[in-house]
Amino acid sequence: SAVISQKPSRDICQRGTSLTIQCQVDSQVTMMFWYRQQPGQSLTLIATANQGSEATYESGFVIDKFPISRPNLTFSTLTVSNMSPEDSSIYLCSVASGGVSSYNEQFFGPGTRLTVL
Amino acid sequence: GENVEQHPSTLSVQEGDSAVIKCTYSDSASNYFPWYKQELGKRPQLIIDIRSNVGEKKDQRIAVTLNKTAKHFSLHITETQPEDSAVYFCAASSWAGTALIFGKGTTLSVSS
Repeated sequence: SAVISQKPSRDICQRGTSLTIQCQVDSQVTMMFWYRQQPGQSLTLIATANQGSEATYESGFVIDKFPISRPNLTFSTLTVSNMSPEDSSIYLCSVASGGVSSYNEQFFGPGTRLTVL
Repeated sequence: GENVEQHPSTLSVQEGDSAVIKCTYSDSASNYFPWYKQELGKRPQLIIDIRSNVGEKKDQRIAVTLNKTAKHFSLHITETQPEDSAVYFCAASSWAGTALIFGKGTTLSVSS
């Protein structure tokens, strides 16, 4: 499976500021996704990061709050904008290889633990 | 959209016993069903998955079964060990490049 890294691994931020999280993969992957995992909770999909086009957001998540970039097949960023304490969470990127004729075996990055004061 | 229900939310077993976690899904188009194990402070790790053209899959002490008619799938762990203690998540997606939708998780505790 691909080796996935995220930066930063953790951060403590003040409300009203923004943080950009980076996800780097050691090989080209077809699909990249961003998830949020609030303390003690399951994983919630934020958006699918599409290479060369705008991300596809899930219900409840908007581009102004969570802008995403995916400039190539190995890198993506997620920005958490105008943060509030409710944004405190672990943010994880995941990747999957293969196209429409293969299954979506997904692997996760180590996550970014964000605390907003 | 897809909705995945997972039960139980917590499960405590004695070492050596079996553990079963069950999930149901709502979207009949879903045909890929992975299971992830997440230890405290770690990322989710894929432990086993099953495709819709298969009814059962086994990997050593872990097995997964799928009933497409009833839209449910289950994780079976036999001969549990303390190191099996973790949170387990089921998920569902279709093969057409869609993301995973997760269940709420099951906290498994194996006591020796």
